[in-house]
Amino acid sequence: DTGVSQDPRHKITKRGQNVTFRCDPISEHNRLYWYRQTLGQGPEFLTYFQNEAQLEKSRLLSDRFSAERPKGSFSTLEIQRTEQGDSAMYLCASSLSVGSNTEAFFGQGTRLTVV
Amino acid sequence: QKEVEQDPGPLSVPEGAIVSLNCTYSNSAFQYFMWYRQYSRKGPELLMYTYSSGNKEDGRFTAQVDKSSKYISLFIRDSQPSDSATYLCAIDTGGFKTIFGAGTRLFVKA
Repeated sequence: DTGVSQDPRHKITKRGQNVTFRCDPISEHNRLYWYRQTLGQGPEFLTYFQNEAQLEKSRLLSDRFSAERPKGSFSTLEIQRTEQGDSAMYLCASSLSVGSNTEAFFGQGTRLTVV
Repeated sequence: QKEVEQDPGPLSVPEGAIVSLNCTYSNSAFQYFMWYRQYSRKGPELLMYTYSSGNKEDGRFTAQVDKSSKYISLFIRDSQPSDSATYLCAIDTGGFKTIFGAGTRLFVKA
């Protein structure tokens, strides 16, 4: 499968615990995005990498959230001291920047439940 | 005002019907418009990608953009039960960020 891969698919954690999610983008894609999606809503942008550089972060991304993309390959999203409001689907997407065309391809998501 | 507005539905149609899904947007500078399909508990899947105004057709799907009224549409002909999903309109802001509508849930009854 050459699509975007996310791990784990599901995560249940207790409030206050730290969690980390991994995303493996399509191999030749230089752009990587993280989105969050809650029930009944569309995905909301969290952050964006061009190769290994994190170029933009949404104000939705509080200081408890951190994302990395070492060496411009896979990415991790860590949430520290999880809160019940963090329960959502976390989606990763990747794209290949060609001119202004940035068609993004999404992974299956990691569903986080904070209890 | 949200940047992209989309009626969440649900929309229920009989098999074979023509489905019309719509979104409005606020920023006239937007140029790139997309439709994603999302099945339950799955990630969004890109269906159509259009630039500026006009129509784009792909099989049973037609995407239409009217920039003068800031209105985007997706038409599905001969709808099938397998088309039952949530359809998300999305706008590529031309940089790095895609803005999504809330999604319309579609049910196609056999």
